[in-house]
Amino acid sequence: DIVMTQSPDSLAVSLGERATINCKSSQSVLYASNNNNYLAWYQHKPGQPPKLLIYWASTRESGVPDRFSGSGSGTDFTLTISGLQAEDVAVYYCQQYYTTPFTFGPGTKVDI
Amino acid sequence: EVQLVESGGGFVEPGESLRLSCATSGFTFSKAWLSWVRQAPGKGLEWVGRIKSKADGGTTDYAAPVKGRFTISRDDSREILYMQMNSLKTEDTAIYYCATGNPFDYWGQGTLVTVSS
Repeated sequence: DIVMTQSPDSLAVSLGERATINCKSSQSVLYASNNNNYLAWYQHKPGQPPKLLIYWASTRESGVPDRFSGSGSGTDFTLTISGLQAEDVAVYYCQQYYTTPFTFGPGTKVDI
Repeated sequence: EVQLVESGGGFVEPGESLRLSCATSGFTFSKAWLSWVRQAPGKGLEWVGRIKSKADGGTTDYAAPVKGRFTISRDDSREILYMQMNSLKTEDTAIYYCATGNPFDYWGQGTLVTVSS
């Protein structure tokens, strides 16, 4: 199974500042034949279902504010929230969809 | 508008069974790959299993903790996803979400399953 790790476990960021979350996979999730990284990021707020933010490691889902950006390739990935807003307080998960069993990182809690 | 609505959760004792349903609308159900994802209390997200579209074989895959106990199925005519959960354990206590696609672009609101004696 591909093990996903995230760092930090939690972080507190001032409004308007940048939040950076790292994600590492135990093996590459880059599919050579199409050069796509099978890596997604989700935002999860209490009492709500998770929301897809980023897929293919760096493609923003429709309607997601452009302050959210994803980067990385292979085994190392980053989610950046540029200019944190109050509504961004949530837990963020990375997930690989390269192969089953699909696996999530343990989550990173972002607070103000 | 895409909608997914889970039902069937509840309180059961260890060893008992439950069947979850996920009623959907707003997308071409027959072409969709569908998954169940759960979140145990105070824990992170865990993928439970997936069913492909019939055109892609209709096959299922499961996470190791539920393999052999849970069965995912689909009714394309009614646009409903199911998950039969047998031999439930206390560690199966969680909110269960159905989700579409790969990755998971649409999610239901979830249904709570509590397994306790």
